[in-house]
Amino acid sequence: QVQLKESGPGLVQPSQTLSLTCTVSGFSLMDYSVHWVRQPPGKGLEWMGRMKYDGDTYYNSALKSRLSISRDTSKSQVFLKMNSLQTEDTAIYYCTRVFYWGQGTLVTVSS
Amino acid sequence: DIVMTQGALPNPVPSGESVSITCRSSKSLLYSDGKTYLNWYLQRPGQSPQLLIYWMSTRASGVSDRFSGSGSGTDFTLKISGVEAEDVGVYYCQQGLEFPWTFGGGTKLELK
Repeated sequence: QVQLKESGPGLVQPSQTLSLTCTVSGFSLMDYSVHWVRQPPGKGLEWMGRMKYDGDTYYNSALKSRLSISRDTSKSQVFLKMNSLQTEDTAIYYCTRVFYWGQGTLVTVSS
Repeated sequence: DIVMTQGALPNPVPSGESVSITCRSSKSLLYSDGKTYLNWYLQRPGQSPQLLIYWMSTRASGVSDRFSGSGSGTDFTLKISGVEAEDVGVYYCQQGLEFPWTFGGGTKLELK
């Protein structure tokens, strides 16, 4: 069945770079697009960017200067990298195929 | 960016009552292919969002027929017929017409 699972460090220091991995199963990254969405604690959802099935990417302009999304189709993994993290980047980070969502991973930005 | 604005519910809602959640977009979500790119999600406490409705009125697989979506190009409604305990959570509308995809602020449903 279709599954997505996020992984990465739970704690990142301010000004450092966040690296997250979304490992998918049950489908090919060459057939479906995967998106990253985040949610600060107790707040709403923010779309961050998309890895299209053909390898094209699109980013939220609010994050574009700090954000990079890439993939390794052989490993069925999509990667998110975001630099210059601040406390307001503390959030649950989800990868999603819209009809399917990962469980999310909490990232806390703190020294 | 397209702004999505959601209405509130008169919480708490008695079990079995029907409720409607409203959502408005700052731009028509009707595309030239005839589809309206509006999704509805439910996020239960402590869980990931779950897609309920896509293309404004199409129920996702496995979603109860108590949920129905309707609307025009800019004004949308999610109706829940006969609220049950499992419906508690926050409901989000989201536009998928253009990037960046944007979400409404969420509408919380509490049960009496």
